[in-house]
Amino acid sequence: EVQLVESGGGLVQPGGSLRLSCAASGFTFSSYDMHWVRQGTGKGLEWVSTIGTSGDTYYPGSVKGRFTLSRENSKNSLYLQMNSLRDGDTAVYFCVRGDTMVQGVIPSYYYVMDVWGQGTTVTVSS
Amino acid sequence: DIQMTQSPSSLSASVGDRVAITCRASQSISSYLNWYQQKPGKAPKLLIYAASSLQSGVPSRFSGSGSGTDFTLTISSLQPEDFATYYCQESYSNPPWTFGQGTKVEIK
Repeated sequence: EVQLVESGGGLVQPGGSLRLSCAASGFTFSSYDMHWVRQGTGKGLEWVSTIGTSGDTYYPGSVKGRFTLSRENSKNSLYLQMNSLRDGDTAVYFCVRGDTMVQGVIPSYYYVMDVWGQGTTVTVSS
Repeated sequence: DIQMTQSPSSLSASVGDRVAITCRASQSISSYLNWYQQKPGKAPKLLIYAASSLQSGVPSRFSGSGSGTDFTLTISSLQPEDFATYYCQESYSNPPWTFGQGTKVEIK
C-alpha cells in the first residue's frame, strides 16, 4: 500500500524551530518529487515546499529562508526544518507525493499531487 | 503568480442534485488544472487532472471541463459521500502550485 506518514508536529513558541518528518512506503521514494502542503484551521490549502528527485528545492516567498526541505532516499524519508516560526505558520502540514500523468498520442504531461499523508499539526503560540 | 478563484465559496444541495463548481485562472493555463476533494479531518484526494481526466477509482458522476482560464467540476447526481470541500489547483507553473480557495458542498 502506498503510504505517507507525517510526524514531528507540536506546540512551539514564536521564533522557535520544529522538524517535521514524513515516512514513505509502498513506492520507489527516490523516483518522485515530494511536497509539503499546509492548511490553517478553517482555511484552504497552501503549497509550502517541494524537493525534486535530484534534490532541487522550491519554496514560496512566505517560508523562503525559514524552511528547509531535505530528503533521505536510503530511509524513504522527507524532512522539513522550520525555523523562525510565526503565528501564521500554525496549520496542519501534509506530506504529498507529486507525479506526472501522461496523455495523448502526442504526449502531454500533467503534474498532480496524488498521494497525501494524514497530516501533522503545528501550533505556533506563546 | 497565477491566481485561482473558485465560485461559489459554498453551496447547499440535496442528494441527487446536479452540482457545478467553477474555477477561474488569472491567466491561461491550457488544461493544466486539477481538482481535489477534502472531507473534514481528512487529507485531500485527487479527483480530476488535466481538467477532464478522472483519476483511477473516482466515480463517473464526477466530471471536469474547460480550458484556458475557465473550468468546471460537475457532480451529476450528488451522493451523501460527496459532501465535502473541493479545491482546484493549477499545474501550469510548477512551481508554485496554487490552489483555489475551496468550495464547500453542504447538505440542504
